[in-house]
Amino acid sequence: RKEVEQDPGPFNVPEGATVAFNCTYSNSASQSFFWYRQDCRKEPKLLMSVYSSGNEDGRFTAQLNRASQYISLLIRDSKLSDSATYLCVAQAKNAGNMLTFGGGTRLMVKP
Amino acid sequence: DAGVIQSPRHEVTEMGQEVTLRCKPISGHNSLFWYRQTMMRGLELLIYFNNNVPIDDSGMPEDRFSAKMPNASFSTLKIQPSEPRDSAVYFCASTPGGVLPLHFGNGTRLTVT
Repeated sequence: RKEVEQDPGPFNVPEGATVAFNCTYSNSASQSFFWYRQDCRKEPKLLMSVYSSGNEDGRFTAQLNRASQYISLLIRDSKLSDSATYLCVAQAKNAGNMLTFGGGTRLMVKP
Repeated sequence: DAGVIQSPRHEVTEMGQEVTLRCKPISGHNSLFWYRQTMMRGLELLIYFNNNVPIDDSGMPEDRFSAKMPNASFSTLKIQPSEPRDSAVYFCASTPGGVLPLHFGNGTRLTVT
């Protein structure tokens, strides 16, 4: 079983739709969480950190559920430019603070 | 500002050949990471350096893989001999003192035939 698991998708949604991705992690010592975005044939780039209380950045909302060990990313009013792969990342002290990446969820926003 | 610079961008080689991937971290960043990304296994950490010293190489798959960081501005990942299953995109990333976020290079797409 992978330490960080994601539905690989693809999620095909029309422009303007709201879409949500979940990600589960198995290391209960994970403390910090992030969402990275990776465009096709490009490097991953930090999209946003995930805070315990949940946080919002424009059309993007990230939430953390420690009891169930999952994090989520909600994208409202999807744009064509949101088409990418979204990588869920967990960081744990008992793993030397290293980042563990999920396999990514692919999103395709259609006109 | 220049980001993390990797070379080459693409490498095609025959199995058995030696492959050397290069990375120049962002100036002032003293933590450097090598990752490998495949469709099957996603993004995996191979090794990371702190102040040019290898800290954790538990992700290095086999003795065929080796990494060095002779100075703060340069690192190499070498595969000798290469095998078709080494085909992947290899990313280098750096941070200042391990503080996130990771800054990734453009990656090297390696194809071993």
